[in-house]
Amino acid sequence: NAGVTQTPKFQVLKTGQSMTLQCAQDMNHEYMSWYRQDPGMGLRLIHYSVGAGITDQGEVPNGYNVSRSTTEDFPLRLLSAAPSQTSVYFCASSSEPRDRKIFGSGTQLSVL
Amino acid sequence: EDQVTQSPEALRLQEGESSSLNCSYTVSGLRGLFWYRQDPGKGPEFLFTLYSAGEEKEKERLKATLTKKESFLHITAPKPEDSATYLCAVQARSGNTPLVFGKGTRLSVIA
Repeated sequence: NAGVTQTPKFQVLKTGQSMTLQCAQDMNHEYMSWYRQDPGMGLRLIHYSVGAGITDQGEVPNGYNVSRSTTEDFPLRLLSAAPSQTSVYFCASSSEPRDRKIFGSGTQLSVL
Repeated sequence: EDQVTQSPEALRLQEGESSSLNCSYTVSGLRGLFWYRQDPGKGPEFLFTLYSAGEEKEKERLKATLTKKESFLHITAPKPEDSATYLCAVQARSGNTPLVFGKGTRLSVIA
């Protein structure tokens, strides 16, 4: 089925480890974004991209890096994981910023 | 700063008991207001987009309305399968500003 695919679904890291959360979409959407969801906090934007080669920071970008080399992929990198990054991460895409976002199924990350 | 406040935080209804969820917002020029449904362990699923005051949209037992300051999600004769968290989000008109989400309303419908 067409949509947004996130991998892995679950991940446990130790403090200081690095990893990349993968996000891919097959709808030829230009706009992609990463959110984190914490209890009582709602969804908060980490980084977003309006097209290949263009990225920008959201509300909570510290500790995360992104790049957008293709239209399809938008990976999120944690360079040195911290317990404060324990969260559920969602990737979303849309054809334009105004359009409805299609969300992936999420990655549950625990940093010990 | 764009803000979204949803109320109540949690709502428990008997099957068939209609009610409304509220989403109050402040935004520097509204481009769109979005409603999503989120089931446990899953990503948000799109329900509606509203663009201007007075607009209404319906889908099965759900009806979303919009004023200049708030949106309501009306649930008519809910069923247990309507149990979920309902999220509201706004997008400002300027530039490529991304969505700002509320914290959601957790709805439980009891048979």
